[in-house]
Order: sequence, then structure tokens, then C-alpha cells
Amino acid sequence: SAVISQKPSRDICQRGTSLTIQCQVDSQVTMMFWYRQQPGQSLTLIATANQGSEATYESGFVIDKFPISRPNLTFSTLTVSNMSPEDSSIYLCSGSRGPGNTIYFGEGSWLTVV
Amino acid sequence: DQQVKQNSPSLSVQEGRISILNCDYTNSMFDYFLWYKKYPAEGPTFLISISSIKDKNEDGRFTVFLNKSAKHLSLHIVPSQPGDSAVYFCAAWVNSGAGSYQLTFGKGTKLSVIP
Repeated sequence: SAVISQKPSRDICQRGTSLTIQCQVDSQVTMMFWYRQQPGQSLTLIATANQGSEATYESGFVIDKFPISRPNLTFSTLTVSNMSPEDSSIYLCSGSRGPGNTIYFGEGSWLTVV
Repeated sequence: DQQVKQNSPSLSVQEGRISILNCDYTNSMFDYFLWYKKYPAEGPTFLISISSIKDKNEDGRFTVFLNKSAKHLSLHIVPSQPGDSAVYFCAAWVNSGAGSYQLTFGKGTKLSVIP
């Protein structure tokens, strides 16, 4: 299995502020993804984090709201910008050794926006 | 359009009995399927997977069956234990175009194992 760690694990944020979540994966991971799970919902892919270039965003997610960086193979950040209560969710970093391989998840970052 | 469907939002099973969680998919190009288990406010934990070239994969108490003609897979847990109570997600790899791949999840089934 792959080791994926992210932080913070939990935070309470003020409306209008931004928060950056960090994710570190082990060296065997080549693909990195960011997911969101809103209360009572399934896991939704936000974007694929691409090393050294702009992330590939899914429909409904934009770079201005969720800027993502991946400066090297094993590290990525997701920023949730200008937060509103609707952004309260668990944000999950994940990684895989390539298409068709198992994706492993971090423990998640539970954000509550007040 | 939801490509991976888990039509049962919840399932209750007595401890010691078999739990069967079902998943249907629409895209015949899926070639790798996974099951995850998730507790509240935690990340999903990988349970078991199956390639489309197989019809069964077994790991301890967990067995996944794949019926490609019916585009259906199921997860069997036997015997079920109270610690198995969690939300189970079915997922499939899909080529989303231009060499891009993503893992698509179903909405999940909440399993409750009653002691």
C-alpha cells in the first residue's frame, strides 16, 4: 500500500478566509488526486494534481476557488479559497501508482466553515 | 450521468451472517474495480479490487464477484462483524479522455451489522 499523509486533519475556518491543505505521499505514487466528500454525499473528484503544471479540474471546480500545486512527485497542496459554509466538507488527498492501480487515500481534512 | 451506481443506500445484517453489497456500472470500458470502506470523518480504506479479466477475487472474509455481461459487481462479507459497520463505496477506473484517468465512485451503501 502507499503512505499518504495530509494536514491539517481538522479545522474550523471563518467565512471569507482561505485554507491550504498539504499532502505528502510516498515515492511510489505517480498520480495524485484531490477529492471532496460533503456531508451525506459520495466522494467527488475535484482535480488531478499534475507535477510541475496546472491541475486538471473536473466540471464544477475551478482553479480560482481550488488552486492546487504539485511542485514535485510526492507533495501537493489544495487551497480552499474565500470559504463559505457550503465548503464545509472532508477534503481527501489520494494517490496511485498509475491508471488501473489502487488509489490510496489520506485520512482527510475535515473543514468546518462558520 | 452516474456511471457507477449503488442503489441501496443502507443495509442491515445480523452479526455472523453474510453481507452482500451491490454495484452496477454503465461503462463497458471500465477495467478495474475497487471497494472501499469508510468511517465518518476518515479517509476511505481500500478493501479489495478485481480486474475485468477475472470474475472473483477473495481476501479473507471479503470476496468480490464481477459479472461483466450484467455490468454488476458485488462484495460479500462473511461472517459479518460489528466492526464492519461503515459506508462501503464501489469504484471503477475510467479513461476520461485525452489520456486522463479518474476513479469514479458510487454513492455508497451504509452497512450496519447488528450484534
